[in-house]
Amino acid sequence: DAGVIQSPRHEVTEMGQEVTLRCKPISGHNSLFWYRQTMMRGLELLIYFNNNVPIDDSGMPEDRFSAKMPNASFSTLKIQPSEPRDSAVYFCASSLESLTGQFGSGTRLTVV
Amino acid sequence: RKEVEQDPGPFNVPEGATVAFNCTYSNSASQSFFWYRQDCRKEPKLLMSVYSSGNEDGRFTAQLNRASQYISLLIRDSKLSDSATYLCVVKGLTNDYKLSFGAGTTVTVRA
Repeated sequence: DAGVIQSPRHEVTEMGQEVTLRCKPISGHNSLFWYRQTMMRGLELLIYFNNNVPIDDSGMPEDRFSAKMPNASFSTLKIQPSEPRDSAVYFCASSLESLTGQFGSGTRLTVV
Repeated sequence: RKEVEQDPGPFNVPEGATVAFNCTYSNSASQSFFWYRQDCRKEPKLLMSVYSSGNEDGRFTAQLNRASQYISLLIRDSKLSDSATYLCVVKGLTNDYKLSFGAGTTVTVRA
């Protein structure tokens, strides 16, 4: 079991650029979560997918953020255009049904 | 009021000491409770679930007090490797997917 795989591990980009974060959930898991972690706000749930369908995107900060899950083995989180305040660690987690699940190693995003 | 509140610490303790800390939650309907551990620059990992009657996992003991809406974690005979941030996590109804994370309590164990 390779666990939840996220890429890239680190991303540094200039303000205004598009950023795409990628996640491969654990095979067989049907729930996928995107979280953001900052010192100020801690861990926040951005969006939750169940069986590839977005169920709750109320945590997505604004229209600049979008997430897709085209199939059971891949999800993306896109920020366009990026801003310095988007700098954070973005975690993807997957689980089977409503269990607690497992986190990926995260993507550390810095927007300058 | 935040859903889950924790004392951020840090708790600095010598090896072999016992350290304990609490977390409070605001939603009385919460059903499931967990402690996660997060090492510096790593992802959170499930440490243990917290059961109503309290439970132990080796040197770790978790307690739940529903009346006062708090959860505790106690670490006995602390090791250097216990140094981490401990996140209190609360979940609503049984089928509820949403986990509410506390900001974490930092524990540093010194030699």
